[in-house]
Amino acid sequence: DIQMTQSPSTLSVSVGDSVTITCRASQSISSWLAWYQQRPGKAPKLLIYRASILDTGVPSRFSGSGFGTEFTLTISSLQPDDFATYYCQHFNSNPWTFGQGTKLEVK
Amino acid sequence: QITLKESGPTLVKPTQTLTLTCTFSGFSLTTGVGVGWIRQPPGKALEWLALIYWDGDKRFGPSLETRLTITKDTSKNHVVLTMTNMDPLDTATYYCVHSPGGFADYWGQGTLVTVSS
Repeated sequence: DIQMTQSPSTLSVSVGDSVTITCRASQSISSWLAWYQQRPGKAPKLLIYRASILDTGVPSRFSGSGFGTEFTLTISSLQPDDFATYYCQHFNSNPWTFGQGTKLEVK
Repeated sequence: QITLKESGPTLVKPTQTLTLTCTFSGFSLTTGVGVGWIRQPPGKALEWLALIYWDGDKRFGPSLETRLTITKDTSKNHVVLTMTNMDPLDTATYYCVHSPGGFADYWGQGTLVTVSS
């Protein structure tokens, strides 16, 4: 199975900051990667798929990049609504697996 | 507007079989579309369980395939997940999702299933 490792696990940030979260795959997954946002007590929400394609309605301050084994999610100018936990997930081959999550907390 | 809703028991006993139903609207289980299940134990990460495509093809998450069955009823817009031999470690929120292939672009609200005697 392909393992997905996110870093950091927690990030203390402030409104207005630019944030970068890294996701590494244990083997190449091409660009078969998705990013999700999960606010407390809510279902996750798709942000990005195919590593860099924003889902409909996702603000342009979110961006994704990467190919192969290393990927990043960047949030420019963090907004109050962005304090949440972010997960990456590969869908290169079965079984699909998630990273362990990165929680953005208020500094 | 695509919506999905999970239904089933909130409490099951160890060794019992869990049956969850996903009822969806706003789309048909037709070409290119799948409906699946993802779970999340309290305070932990997400885990893909199973997905069934429009053509009956199935995908299963890591290590659970022997315990899982996923079926669809296209006429009723239902997808049903069964998980055998439930254990307290299976306590989690179970989400039904719409998938165009490998990732989940629409999610149900989730249903918390507790496994306890």
